[in-house]
This record gives sequence, structure tokens and C-alpha cells, in this order.
Amino acid sequence: KQEVTQIPAALSVPEGENLVLNCSFTDSAIYNLQWFRQDPGKGLTSLLLIQSSQREQTSGRLNASLDKSSGRSTLYIAASQPGDSATYLCAVEGNTGKLIFGQGTTLQVKP
Amino acid sequence: DAGVTQSPTHLIKTRGQHVTLRCSPISGHKSVSWYQQVLGQGPQFIFQYYEKEERGRGNFPDRFSARQFPNYSSELNVNALLLGDSALYLCASSLGRVPSITGELFFGEGSRLTVL
Repeated sequence: KQEVTQIPAALSVPEGENLVLNCSFTDSAIYNLQWFRQDPGKGLTSLLLIQSSQREQTSGRLNASLDKSSGRSTLYIAASQPGDSATYLCAVEGNTGKLIFGQGTTLQVKP
Repeated sequence: DAGVTQSPTHLIKTRGQHVTLRCSPISGHKSVSWYQQVLGQGPQFIFQYYEKEERGRGNFPDRFSARQFPNYSSELNVNALLLGDSALYLCASSLGRVPSITGELFFGEGSRLTVL
């Protein structure tokens, strides 16, 4: 059974700091891994999608890496801003079309 | 283009009642999935429908049911509501049954259900 864990559960940093969010999964047989952002009470916004054959994806100040063999992914946020404050969720997809999510990391960036 | 739309956005019910949640996928998308997100946790898969047939079911009791209509919109029904059903219910759509092959999964803003 696939399980996804995110560490830390919460993180508070001063503005401008670079930070790393971690995601681990127990079954390496995944099709892809996706990072989402969720603002309070809102839906999910996809940030980055990494296919199983890829090692990383970048979008602006965000960089996500994937190491299938070790069952790990990291989301790197450069030069954090108060607008980055949100909950970040990682999810893995197998061959069934359903996503299995971690519990999320709630990020607060202080001005 | 309109994204995934869900209704209602918020609703309050009492224990034992029934609720119907609605979802309209992105135009051209044939797959709709439902997820339940309890406060403080990640979303959990409930159902996937593709081409009007159930293609996947998560670990939820039979009180939960869903269907997909010819226009690919979908309804999620929950009977005999319990306090523990209070959650944000998210709908997601994709082009095909397996998003990793046919494209990404796009989520709606969700329906916030409170059971008193």
C-alpha cells in the first residue's frame, strides 16, 4: 500500500530565505509525482509535475526533484516571499489514475 | 475557458441527512474524480468516473455514491451523514482515465460540508 509522508508539517521562515520541503513515498512504482499549493479553504493548484522518467522540474523560483529509487522528492523554493505562504501537498500517481497525497506542509513566510 | 466548477461552495447539514454535491469538468475532459479532505489532512480518493462508468473507488462506506452524466458532469451523494463527514470535497477532471498519460489533473475549489 502506497503511503506518502511530508516533513515538516509546518514551517515558518523570514522573507528572502531559501527553503526545502520534503516528500517521501513507500512504493517506487509510480507514474508521476505532483506538487500542489493550497490556500486556506481553497482548492488545489498544480505547481510542478514530474514524470517517473524525469529527475526534476523547474518553474520560476520553484524546483522539484524526484528520486524514485529512494522514494523521495523535494520542493525547493528560492527567495521566499510572504505570498508563498500556503499549504504545499505532494501526491503520487500509480497506474490507476488516482492520486495519493501526503498530509501537507504549511508554510508561513514572515515579512 | 472555465475551470472545474463545483456547487454548492458551502453547506451545513445535520446528522442523518443526505447531501448531493455537483461538479462540472473542464470542457473536453471525460474523467471526473472525487476527493475528501478533512481539516489538516491531505485529500483522500473517493471515486473516479470515466466515460460515465465507475473506474475506481477508495476506502469509503456504501453511504457514498456517485454518478457521471452524458455531458461528463458528476454528482457525489452521501447518505446518513455523520459528524466525521465534515470536510472539503474536491472534484478533479482530466482528459483521460490516467492523468499521467493524457494530461494533468485539474481541481475545483471544493464544496465545504459541515455536519452538525
